Amino acid sequence: ETGVTQSPTHLIKTRGQQVTLRCSSQSGHNTVSWYQQALGQGPQFIFQYYREEENGRGNFPPRFSGLQFPNYSSELNVNALELDDSALYLCASSLSRDNEQFFGPGTRLTVL
Amino acid sequence: GEDVEQSLFLSVREGDSSVINCTYTDSSSTYLYWYKQEPGAGLQLLTYIFSNMDMKQDQRLTVLLNKKDKHLSLRIADTQTGDSAIYFCAESISGTYKYIFGTGTRLKVLA
Repeated sequence: ETGVTQSPTHLIKTRGQQVTLRCSSQSGHNTVSWYQQALGQGPQFIFQYYREEENGRGNFPPRFSGLQFPNYSSELNVNALELDDSALYLCASSLSRDNEQFFGPGTRLTVL
Repeated sequence: GEDVEQSLFLSVREGDSSVINCTYTDSSSTYLYWYKQEPGAGLQLLTYIFSNMDMKQDQRLTVLLNKKDKHLSLRIADTQTGDSAIYFCAESISGTYKYIFGTGTRLKVLA
C-alpha cells in the first residue's frame, strides 16, 4: 500500500463522452503525475502537477487536461473520448518534483 | 531520444535466480527504477539505483547498471511463485521529472 488512492476503480464510457478521474496523493506529497497504460504496454507519461501547476507534459493532445487542488489531490479530465483512450490510468505522488514516485492502483477506463 | 526496451517474457523454476534486463537510450537519466505489477494492480516500487552507481543490493534483489552500455538488470535470488508478475524498468530524465517506462517483462515462476 502506497497511500495513493484513485477513484473510480473501473469506468465504462462511450466515444465522444467526457471523463474525470481522481487521485489522492500520499500525505505530505505535493506532486502528482499521471500515466496512461494501454494493454500490454508500459505506462506513458501524460503530465505532472506540482503545487497546483502543470510541471511538464508528455505527448498527449489537449483534450487530456488536469487539475491539482490545494490539498494536492488531482483530477485527470479527458474530453471527446476515443476508443484508443481505453487503458489503465495511473497516478503517482511524490514528495516533490524529483523524488521517487509512488503509484496508486489505477482506474481502468473502457471506451465503447 | 527516449526509449527503454525489455524482453517480453522470462520463465524460471522456483528457487532459481531470475535476471531481467533493460536497455535505455537517454544518457541524461538520473535514477533508474524497477517496478513490479501484479494482475489488475498498480505499480509497486521494488528498488532504484542512482545513475552514478554500478550496483545495489536489497535483500533478494540485485541491480546492476552498466552506464557505458546503457544496460540495467534486476536479479531476483531464490525466485518464488509470488514473484510472478510483470516487471518494468523506468528511467527518470534529468530536468523533466517524468519517468520513461519499458514495455515490461512478464516473469513466470514454475513450481
